[in-house]
Amino acid sequence: SQKIEQNSEALNIQEGKTATLTCNYTNYSPAYLQWYRQDPGRGPVFLLLIRENEKEKRKERLKVTFDTTLKQSLFHITASQPADSATYLCALDMAAAGNKLTFGGGTRVLVKP
Amino acid sequence: GAVVSQHPSWVICKSGTSVKIECRSLDFQATTMFWYRQFPKQSLMLMATSNEGSKATYEQGVEKDKFLINHASLTLSTLTVTSAHPEDSSFYICSARAGGQDTQYFGPGTRLTVL
Repeated sequence: SQKIEQNSEALNIQEGKTATLTCNYTNYSPAYLQWYRQDPGRGPVFLLLIRENEKEKRKERLKVTFDTTLKQSLFHITASQPADSATYLCALDMAAAGNKLTFGGGTRVLVKP
Repeated sequence: GAVVSQHPSWVICKSGTSVKIECRSLDFQATTMFWYRQFPKQSLMLMATSNEGSKATYEQGVEKDKFLINHASLTLSTLTVTSAHPEDSSFYICSARAGGQDTQYFGPGTRLTVL
């Protein structure tokens, strides 16, 4: 079965720096990969989607890369702000499995002023 | 756009009672809705997938007779936890996806506490 690994350790970063999160998966590549932000006690909020034929996607201060050879996605938050502090989840969408999402464990980011 | 609501946001019930949670897509038609459960410090676990007008498909290990899912319209799905027990206490989150779209949009979640 597909396994998704995200760094379970919290990422502490200084305001203004770039935070980089990793998402690694095993087995076969997904049709696309999504990144979500989750705040405590809240549902996930969609951030970015990147398809298997795309190398990079950007949205404002966010950037996602997708390397199907390495079976890895990187998520970057540039010019980080304290308001970026949250847990970030990657999720793989397996088209062959009815487009169900499988989530990684999430990485907690804490941006210090 | 793409707003999903859930009601209630939290509920406390006695063991043995049933609880219904509603999930609504407010500004789009959701051909597919998903129900997840999240325990503290863990990630989301998919419970079931429901398509409008058809029976829900449950993930392995999820009791369909205990977690009743109804997707009666393109904007509403309900999850009923029957004969709730303390181990059912969790954070339940729904998501919705429009036909032909890839992205799932999530509701704010419902915190269920069973005493």
